Amino acid sequence: QSVLTQPPSVSEAPGQRVTISCSGGSSNIGNHPIKWYQQFPGKAPRLLIYYDDLLPSGVSDRFSGSKSGTSGSLAISGLQSEDEADYYCAVWDDSLDGVIFGGGTKVTVL
Amino acid sequence: EVQLLESGGALVKPGGSLRLSCAASGFTFSSYAMSWVRQAPGKGLEWVSGISGGASTTNYADSVKGRFIISRDNSNNTLHLQLNSLRAEDTAVYYCAKHSAGLIYYFDYWGQGTLVTVSS
Repeated sequence: QSVLTQPPSVSEAPGQRVTISCSGGSSNIGNHPIKWYQQFPGKAPRLLIYYDDLLPSGVSDRFSGSKSGTSGSLAISGLQSEDEADYYCAVWDDSLDGVIFGGGTKVTVL
Repeated sequence: EVQLLESGGALVKPGGSLRLSCAASGFTFSSYAMSWVRQAPGKGLEWVSGISGGASTTNYADSVKGRFIISRDNSNNTLHLQLNSLRAEDTAVYYCAKHSAGLIYYFDYWGQGTLVTVSS
């Protein structure tokens, strides 16, 4: 069981908006920025969001991130079939002295 | 262009050892922390170990502490992970990942992974 809690799956129709939550604690999200990674089956993860809400070059602005206290979220607006993937939140944890990942959320476009 | 190429994955028996390598190019290798992240079949991502750019700091997940050793050769732009006392639960794809700066910073590049299978 991960220190960071994500819903196992979310689904929505094309064009709609989905939100993925990531809940942690004071030693991780409460003290460090959240990152989000996207992973397609059989592929390496790729950076989607860093410093809670910043998008790397090349990432669609349909993706957005936010953080409040010890929780964060990833939103995908204008959902497209190409967004079907697994999404992971990650953050440094001071107590564990390492990086921790959420359990991952599978996004399905209905 | 940043490239990370892992190698060394194999089928190994429980209790055995293996050494993974990650050849890096396209950036000043010694200036960035590096980590290994693994993914068991059908499971999520798990950070395994990280090392600072100058190799002065190393960190390990509790699940591998005392069994795995991370190291780097900055003269040859290569990251290593020595896996000892392997268990079935260590079976996974092992990814090499570059941090954007130090260990607490995000992974901005990932390799394609190398598969380690622990089975008798």
